Amino acid sequence: KAGVTQTPRYLIKTRGQQVTLSCSPISGHRSVSWYQQTPGQGLQFLFEYFSETQRNKGNFPGRFSGRQFSNSRSEMNVSTLELGDSALYLCASSLGRNTGELFFGEGSRLTVL
Amino acid sequence: DAKTTQPPSMDCAEGRAANLPCNHSTISGNEYVYWYRQIHSQGPQYIIHGLKNNETNEMASLIITEDRKSSTLILPHATLRDTAVYYCIVRVVGQTGANNLFFGTGTRLTVIP
Repeated sequence: KAGVTQTPRYLIKTRGQQVTLSCSPISGHRSVSWYQQTPGQGLQFLFEYFSETQRNKGNFPGRFSGRQFSNSRSEMNVSTLELGDSALYLCASSLGRNTGELFFGEGSRLTVL
Repeated sequence: DAKTTQPPSMDCAEGRAANLPCNHSTISGNEYVYWYRQIHSQGPQYIIHGLKNNETNEMASLIITEDRKSSTLILPHATLRDTAVYYCIVRVVGQTGANNLFFGTGTRLTVIP
């Protein structure tokens, strides 16, 4: 069974640009969560999608957004990039909304210059 | 959610059992204990979870004290590939937002040859 796939794995952007990251969950998993990991703040929850609807959101500004498609694939977008957005962005899929058992991808490492 | 306390780092000799403690003295009756680990530059990996009974799977065992105020993750025969940061998390299963996990700082386990 294929795991969670995230693309791209690495990318470099400049301040003010926007970026879109993609996540394909494990087949059959309907919940997709996004996390940001930085050396200073550790792993922080961004948002969770289930059945194409955002179900839960962390404490991040509106520049961070996401969506989920009918096939459960998800994208997250960060607009007007800031230097502090440099991070590893991790996607996790789960069979259900409230299981707590998440399966993470390898992440997309974003560098903002 | 109940807070957890873990030692920042531990060493373990290869082939020996690694016992990783976690304190969660304010845990409530419906909160589960989850363990994840993160090997350098990879996404977190789910290990095991439990409510009050001891649990075992192919990766590890989870021992929860009778008062549920602390738990221990046991890796029975540590290998070099078990070197990682281990996170103990408490969460209510079935509650909205259960997939919003607070990872904290975890315990950095180093397995020594």
